[in-house]
Amino acid sequence: DVKVTQSSRYLVKRTGEKVFLECVQDMDHENMFWYRQDPGLGLRLIYFSYDVKMKEKGDIPEGYSVSREKKERFSLILESASTNQTSMYLCASSLGTGIQDGYTFGSGTRLTVV
Amino acid sequence: KQEVTQIPAALSVPEGENLVLNCSFTDSAIYNLQWFRQDPGKGLTSLLLIQSSQREQTSGRLNASLDKSSGRSTLYIAASQPGDSATYLCAVPSSGGSYIPTFGRGTSLIVHP
Repeated sequence: DVKVTQSSRYLVKRTGEKVFLECVQDMDHENMFWYRQDPGLGLRLIYFSYDVKMKEKGDIPEGYSVSREKKERFSLILESASTNQTSMYLCASSLGTGIQDGYTFGSGTRLTVV
Repeated sequence: KQEVTQIPAALSVPEGENLVLNCSFTDSAIYNLQWFRQDPGKGLTSLLLIQSSQREQTSGRLNASLDKSSGRSTLYIAASQPGDSATYLCAVPSSGGSYIPTFGRGTSLIVHP
């Protein structure tokens, strides 16, 4: 069964900490995405990547960065965590452009910044 | 810019009812539409993927239809069960040739015994 795995289900971090959220997929997908999900706001795209070492800003990139050194791994980095980054973070992947296979999501990471 | 609307936002029904969840989108030049289920505090699970050349897809008690010309999709749930309680989201490509999805806000469904 194909999978997108997020390393942590729950995280609690302190304000100002550097936070790494890891996502690994085993489907050889080109595209990977990071979303955050907040009540009333739906899913908002933070960053996405269409190839190794390539990244593109989504709708809300401020306060975040990403890294994709290997095809299967896409990391989201909060350089200096703030309380307004408390949220559910979801990683997803998809095959190349013109995909017919849809998107596969991880199980999410609930991040609390205190 | 693609906009996706899901109606109703919330739904509470007794067990056994047949349900219709609606999804509408503004840019009809899409190549597929995907329905997801999300349980509280969890990630999204794919339910059905409809290609633009298809009119509908079925999986068990679920049937999804797609009408590109009117910019609409419906998810039909037959004989609802308490285990169907979840949030249902639809997603379409952000623009005609894009591989980046735009999501609706979802329909929160509660099926009570």
